[in-house]
Amino acid sequence: QKEVEQNSGPLSVPEGAIASLNCTYSDRVSQSFFWYRQYSGKSPELIMSIYSNGDKEDGRFTAQLNKASQYVSLLIRDSQPSDSATYLCAVSGGSYIPTFGRGTSLIVHP
Amino acid sequence: DAGITQSPRYKITETGRQVTLMCHQTWSHSYMFWYRQDLGHGLRLIYYSAAADITDKGEVPDGYVVSRSKTENFPLTLESATRSQTSVYFCASEEDGGTETQYFGPGTRLLVL
Repeated sequence: QKEVEQNSGPLSVPEGAIASLNCTYSDRVSQSFFWYRQYSGKSPELIMSIYSNGDKEDGRFTAQLNKASQYVSLLIRDSQPSDSATYLCAVSGGSYIPTFGRGTSLIVHP
Repeated sequence: DAGITQSPRYKITETGRQVTLMCHQTWSHSYMFWYRQDLGHGLRLIYYSAAADITDKGEVPDGYVVSRSKTENFPLTLESATRSQTSVYFCASEEDGGTETQYFGPGTRLLVL
């Protein structure tokens, strides 16, 4: 059984701080890694994908992948109240069928 | 409009009734998925389809039926609804080309009384 683990939170950070969200996965052959953001009452939307070890930056978001340690993280710099949402980590082994974590709730307070 | 749509957005039904949730995408993506999302369980895969006329079970398929006669449509049917099927249902399609990026519909909130 492929597992993707996330701390459910909530993770509470002050506005302007760096939010760090973490995800570990069990399947060593995983190849594709995703972070989806889900606002309350809405559907998930992709914010970052990463396929190789290291960092990938997109605006205020940075995804970090370490395949040896089987973890992927998402950093949100200069956090804003509008970043308050649940962040879902998803992992795929190239089968086109991703496994989703249960999500981490992020609260950014002014 | 381009994208992925679901209907109905909200549905109330009674135990034992048949319910069909519709999903339509305009991108002609090959892969489509049905998930349910419940508090404490995250997104759980019900069924997926790799192409028209090709479907397969996911993690929680019992009590559900799918079909895919056309690439753009992927309906989900609850043959005899039970209270445990009260949930939010999301349809998704996956971008072709190997990125495995999924695009989700707006969801259907289903209440089974």
